[in-house]
Amino acid sequence: EAQVTQNPRYLITVTGKKLTVTCSQNMNHEYMSWYRQDPGLGLRQIYYSMNVEVTDKGDVPEGYKVSRKEKRNFPLILESPSPNQTSLYFCASSLGGRPYEQYFGPGTRLTVT
Amino acid sequence: AQRVTQPEKLLSVFKGAPVELKCNYSYSGSPELFWYVQYSRQRLQLLLRHISRESIKGFTADLNKGETSFHLKKPFAQEEDSAMYYCALRETNTGNQFYFGTGTSLTVIP
Repeated sequence: EAQVTQNPRYLITVTGKKLTVTCSQNMNHEYMSWYRQDPGLGLRQIYYSMNVEVTDKGDVPEGYKVSRKEKRNFPLILESPSPNQTSLYFCASSLGGRPYEQYFGPGTRLTVT
Repeated sequence: AQRVTQPEKLLSVFKGAPVELKCNYSYSGSPELFWYVQYSRQRLQLLLRHISRESIKGFTADLNKGETSFHLKKPFAQEEDSAMYYCALRETNTGNQFYFGTGTSLTVIP
């Protein structure tokens, strides 16, 4: 089954404790992206990747890191999480030629206390 | 700067009535505009894109460059249309950055 998976689905952590949210897709998609969703702000793109080893900043990259060492995986790293990073995070993937046809993951709800 | 604006957070219409979800954008180049939809307990998914000029599930959207709008319309709303709708813009200068609006929650009243 074609899908985008994220882990964990829920996470409560404390300020400053490094964490990684994994994202994996099994559709051989070139384009992958991370978004955060906040009430009243909609979805905002954090980082995206056109292919392996190619990543670019989105609209709100501060406080986040990403890597794309393999085509199927695109982890989101928070080196020193802060409470303002409490949010619902979505990973998405698509074919490189059709980046708009994004397949979204189920979301990861992160709470930073 | 907010590139995509959806002025209505909530919209309710009766079944069979026309529905229009508003979207305005600001972008200096030639944008690509899209509508995404999230039904209850489902993932966000692409509904339609302006370039294709197609009708999906009875919905259409026309890009009006003069008014910088991309409103989503359907002549007769159905209960299954109840969902969250997001307007999105893809930058064509860089090619791959997306900007989403804040979303409109549509409820179709039986």
